[in-house]
Amino acid sequence: GQNIDQPTEMTATEGAIVQINCTYQTSGFNGLFWYQQHAGEAPTFLSYNVLDGLEEKGRFSSFLSRSKGYSYLLLKELQMKDSASYLCAVSPPGGGNKLTFGTGTQLKVEL
Amino acid sequence: DAGVTQSPTHLIKTRGQQVTLRCSPKSGHDTVSWYQQALGQGPQFIFQYYEEEERQRGNFPDRFSGHQFPNYSSELNVNALLLGDSALYLCASSLVAGGGETQYFGPGTRLLVL
Repeated sequence: GQNIDQPTEMTATEGAIVQINCTYQTSGFNGLFWYQQHAGEAPTFLSYNVLDGLEEKGRFSSFLSRSKGYSYLLLKELQMKDSASYLCAVSPPGGGNKLTFGTGTQLKVEL
Repeated sequence: DAGVTQSPTHLIKTRGQQVTLRCSPKSGHDTVSWYQQALGQGPQFIFQYYEEEERQRGNFPDRFSGHQFPNYSSELNVNALLLGDSALYLCASSLVAGGGETQYFGPGTRLLVL
């Protein structure tokens, strides 16, 4: 089975840096996704990590450690519009579409 | 470049009724997956369609069924609705030839069962 843990809520200040952690225990694993979801909207793709290490994409970076079953999403220069739920999801061995999502981390960015 | 579209946006049904939700994938995509997202939870995988066949299925009862058409669009059908079926239903599309891994989500259909 799959078990994914991420904090329920986080609060950060505009302009700051925040790190959202995700740990997973799975019977098999191919890669890890991060999605952003604003209230009442669809999840939007942020990143996909297959190999260990850090991938940077603008203000957002994502890190994966396969041996530790651990990932994080790093958001820099926070903006008010970054207030959203951040979903961590794992894909099964061999890839495929059957993603297993965590419950999401609700990030609130304050002035 | 047209993204994933879903209809209707909102729907209210009563227990025992049946519902059909529709999805058109992103232009160029050939695979459609459906997810159910309850309030405050992450999306849960229902099933995936590729080449008009169900390829993978999550832990959902047979009341949940689907279809994919030759133009890659898809329908999700839910029979004998229960109160617990109230949720946001998300459709996601991807391209198998491109690795098929990154899925792009539609805006969802919010279903309320009374």
